[in-house]
Amino acid sequence: NAGVTQTPKFQVLKTGQSMTLQCAQDMNHEYMSWYRQDPGMGLRLIHYSVGAGITDQGEVPNGYNVSRSTTEDFPLRLLSAAPSQTSVYFCASSRTGLRTGELFFGEGSRLTVL
Amino acid sequence: GIQVEQSPPDLILQEGANSTLRCNFSDSVNNLQWFHQNPWGQLINLFYIPSGTKQNGRLSATTVATERYSLLYISSSQTTDSGVYFCALKNKLIFGTGTLLAVQP
Repeated sequence: NAGVTQTPKFQVLKTGQSMTLQCAQDMNHEYMSWYRQDPGMGLRLIHYSVGAGITDQGEVPNGYNVSRSTTEDFPLRLLSAAPSQTSVYFCASSRTGLRTGELFFGEGSRLTVL
Repeated sequence: GIQVEQSPPDLILQEGANSTLRCNFSDSVNNLQWFHQNPWGQLINLFYIPSGTKQNGRLSATTVATERYSLLYISSSQTTDSGVYFCALKNKLIFGTGTLLAVQP
């Protein structure tokens, strides 16, 4: 049971570099989302998707792009990394849409921007 | 916007003690979920509980949606229960700030 898989688990970037955090789920879930967690804080929603071809912004979308070309994959792109984006990133999915259904999380990706 | 408050913010227990964690929310919801984030950072689903009561071993949860709160009960705590407990409102896509629990042997 793979569930929600995130890669890479750790990444160090220099300011201005770009990268993509990958998220894949094998549960045929419609809903997928990205959160960031800063030290000592809860999770804040970056972007989410309720199905292939549909994405929307969350609470903290600036500096991040997403796309949902397939049901399985929901990559998060940082076009020009900034130190303020140093955080732990979690991808989550659920079977149903925005308002119902149990969320399942990946193991997280720890990003450091120097 | 909607407020999600968890209490207490932190808690220290001796192994074997019981505890109750609370999640208050300021708007009506039709779902709520409890998570445990272990010391390694993994987020583990505990309960998906829009309303009513559920139990899983030493843990149980109750949500009273009409009164806008949910409770997580931990009985006979163990050191492996240590970590941060979050409640989350999926329909508002909001997480609480968590309760940090430390269970001492």
